[in-house]
Amino acid sequence: GAGVSQSPRYKVAKRGQDVALRCDPISGHVSLFWYQQALGQGPEFLTYFQNEAQLDKSGLPSDRFFAERPEGSVSTLKIQRTQQEDSAVYLCASSLGTGVGQPQHFGDGTRLSIL
Amino acid sequence: DQQVKQNSPSLSVQEGRISILNCDYTNSMFDYFLWYKKYPAEGPTFLISISSIKDKNEDGRFTVFLNKSAKHLSLHIVPSQPGDSAVYFCAASAGMLTFGGGTRLMVKP
Repeated sequence: GAGVSQSPRYKVAKRGQDVALRCDPISGHVSLFWYQQALGQGPEFLTYFQNEAQLDKSGLPSDRFFAERPEGSVSTLKIQRTQQEDSAVYLCASSLGTGVGQPQHFGDGTRLSIL
Repeated sequence: DQQVKQNSPSLSVQEGRISILNCDYTNSMFDYFLWYKKYPAEGPTFLISISSIKDKNEDGRFTVFLNKSAKHLSLHIVPSQPGDSAVYFCAASAGMLTFGGGTRLMVKP
């Protein structure tokens, strides 16, 4: 497909387990973003990559959250020792360039539920 | 501290009439504003944007207005159609996007 692809679509984990969420951006898109969306709220910024470089991780809520994009395409968001408050939809977005005016194109998200 | 706010959680409009969705922001550093539409179980879809140097941008049935002095933007949809029923998010950019909480629009046939 031509859009941003995220997997899995749904993930259920027990508190304390580690999880890994994958994002396949649109081919050729330089910028990649991760957002967290709690129920009934707008997405909140987590982290930003330009190619393989993580330029901003100011939104990551704790050191349990880690993101990487080693080859400048696919990205993985990892959450260690999950807590119930980590339950949310995790959205990935990509954009073609690095300019402020570039629209970000979103995947359908991964809904994470921590029991 | 919410930098982008959508004060109306929901809006109901009759088909064919105008829908007006509002958004307020506090950060003067924002220089680009976007509207996204979201259906259940899908990611947000880009709708329309406006640069801070403009006060209006139009694309078909969708028009975005920006009032920088009031730090306010609005999205007008005319005529509204039942397929427009979705949650609409405004977002402001100074690099990454800062989203409002969304407004659920319901267009009744």
